[in-house]
Amino acid sequence: SQTIHQWPATLVQPVGSPLSLECTVEGTSNPNLYWYRQAAGRGLQLLFYSVGIGQISSEVPQNLSASRPQDRQFILSSKKLLLSDSGFYLCAWSVKGQSNEKLFFGSGTQLSVL
Amino acid sequence: DAKTTQPNSMESNEEEPVHLPCNHSTISGTDYIHWYRQLPSQGPEYVIHGLTSNVNNRMASLAIAEDRKSSTLILHRATLRDAAVYYCILKRDTNAGKSTFGDGTTLTVKP
Repeated sequence: SQTIHQWPATLVQPVGSPLSLECTVEGTSNPNLYWYRQAAGRGLQLLFYSVGIGQISSEVPQNLSASRPQDRQFILSSKKLLLSDSGFYLCAWSVKGQSNEKLFFGSGTQLSVL
Repeated sequence: DAKTTQPNSMESNEEEPVHLPCNHSTISGTDYIHWYRQLPSQGPEYVIHGLTSNVNNRMASLAIAEDRKSSTLILHRATLRDAAVYYCILKRDTNAGKSTFGDGTTLTVKP
């Protein structure tokens, strides 16, 4: 069966520090991968998505970047965190090529920038 | 993606049915209606989806209006574990999975 791993679960970082969040998927190949951010009590904002290795599309211009160095690995990064980067970050994957894709989410990372 | 409109919150008593509405008046012919739910401090999980016909699965039922401009997620017997935020989204079949998740409906289940 397919599983998605996202870590760490909680992270507290000072303003100006770098960030690296990692997400890996097991049990499938060539998935679509996504990074979302969620503010407290709000819906999900799509940040990046990837349809293949090295292929990244950015939905929102911001202080963050994403990379996909391997087929089932998706990394969210920042060189210098801002207070506004705080939030709940979610990684998700879907099966490519289906006419009706379902999203499968990780358990999320709660990032607090202080 | 087209937008959906849901009530901010709803309450239900345990073991009673719950009907969660969603309006999507700008839905296009190729948009699937998906429902996800998110438990506290967790990622959303898929609940059900449909295109035109009503759908049933082990978690819930989805009733879709004939004009497809609205839908209703039905939980037949709410339990305390069903307390979550429920998201109704539209997914275009040619889209690479980009979907607009609004603020959803927060369902409170009272014992």
